[in-house]
Amino acid sequence: EVQLVESGGGLVQPGASLKLSCVASGFTFSDYWMSWVRQTPGKTMEWIGDIKYDGSYTNYAPSLKNRFTISRDNAKSTLYLQMSNVRSEDTATYYCTRSIRGWFAYWGQGTLVTVSS
Amino acid sequence: EIVLTQSPTTMTASPGEKVTITCRASSSVSYMHWYQQKPGASPKPWIYETSKLASGVPDRFSGSGSGTSYSLTINNMEAEDAATYYCQQWNYPSRTFGGGTKLELK
Repeated sequence: EVQLVESGGGLVQPGASLKLSCVASGFTFSDYWMSWVRQTPGKTMEWIGDIKYDGSYTNYAPSLKNRFTISRDNAKSTLYLQMSNVRSEDTATYYCTRSIRGWFAYWGQGTLVTVSS
Repeated sequence: EIVLTQSPTTMTASPGEKVTITCRASSSVSYMHWYQQKPGASPKPWIYETSKLASGVPDRFSGSGSGTSYSLTINNMEAEDAATYYCQQWNYPSRTFGGGTKLELK
């Protein structure tokens, strides 16, 4: 059974940095592209970015590429999202997803990030 | 970036009713994907590549469309179908989502 378990969310001050993790199990992690998607409190869904199965290529939403970095450790079956200079509008639930071609086939349970002073 | 506009934003349907949710893209896309989300849960893939049902999705659901206009249809609405549905496209290099359609049971 495919499982994606995010962690690392919480309350963070504006301007700070935060790193989210997603541990994958139930499949060969190094075979798949992975992505991060977030959902705001108002329920707006936003794609953050993708990373190739070997970590050699990343692709980001234009509005986020200067502050967010996606990486992976295939030996640990773990996906990461490094967030820097966070803003109130980054408050959202962050989902780790496994991509198949153009769609998100599996989703984690999400981790909530709240940006507030 | 391609903008996806869903309509309606909210709707109610009675059991047995036919439901159609529309997703319009600001530019032509090759495929549309749909997700179902219920309160407190993660989104679930529902329809992928326009018309293929994800695993476990009842066959009363169907998807269709091309170019800039796509739709998700439910034949014979059931109580368990009440949820929010999101469309999503991938036109390299970006992926975008629609704003969602909240479907409630009448």
